[in-house]
Amino acid sequence: EAGVAQSPRYKIIEKRQSVAFWCNPISGHATLYWYQQILGQGPKLLIQFQNNGVVDDSQLPKDRFSAERLKGVDSTLKIQPAKLEDSAVYLCASRRTRPPYNEQFFGPGTRLTVL
Amino acid sequence: AQKITQTQPGMFVQEKEAVTLDCTYDTSDPSYGLFWYKQPSSGEMIFLIYQGSYDQQNATEGRYSLNFQKARKSANLVISASQLGDSAMYFCAMREGRADSSYKLIFGSGTRLLVRP
Repeated sequence: EAGVAQSPRYKIIEKRQSVAFWCNPISGHATLYWYQQILGQGPKLLIQFQNNGVVDDSQLPKDRFSAERLKGVDSTLKIQPAKLEDSAVYLCASRRTRPPYNEQFFGPGTRLTVL
Repeated sequence: AQKITQTQPGMFVQEKEAVTLDCTYDTSDPSYGLFWYKQPSSGEMIFLIYQGSYDQQNATEGRYSLNFQKARKSANLVISASQLGDSAMYFCAMREGRADSSYKLIFGSGTRLLVRP
């Protein structure tokens, strides 16, 4: 089966600009996650979807970050306006909701640099 | 709150030798799961091994095994017969929530492993 797809792979923007990332999960995976990984740290969950509904967005900075998964398949994460501290790798992951459920499958990530 | 601790920022191992990467966790939930992921320099997260809190035996996957000591709240990863391609960041993670629910992962800070020829 095809893996989790993400685009773009790299993005460089100036602070206060906007940026959007796209994720297409593995076919049939109802649960989708967006993680932020700052250099030298482990990934931190930003938002979690079950189909097209938000399950957990408690760590999403909602004043500047937004995410949607309108048809319960692919998803976009947007930052507007970007700050220097948003420089990170943004990882998308997906997971089955039928057995075996345990593993989260990750995409290659989008590396964002904010200048 | 659930927490994962990896105390080794970096480790070296000689090719063909075994290495243990440490991971301790803290949770009050009796149902949890522990994962190890590998992240090469290319950036993707590669699943290695999983241990459920109710699993009676330690998990093994090829050259990877998980030394699960529930009373000590530790879940160390053992890599046997290290290869040059094992050089990467390794992350320990814990499932918060039931496996059949919409769970999320809490990650540790990672250990960078370098395999010497």
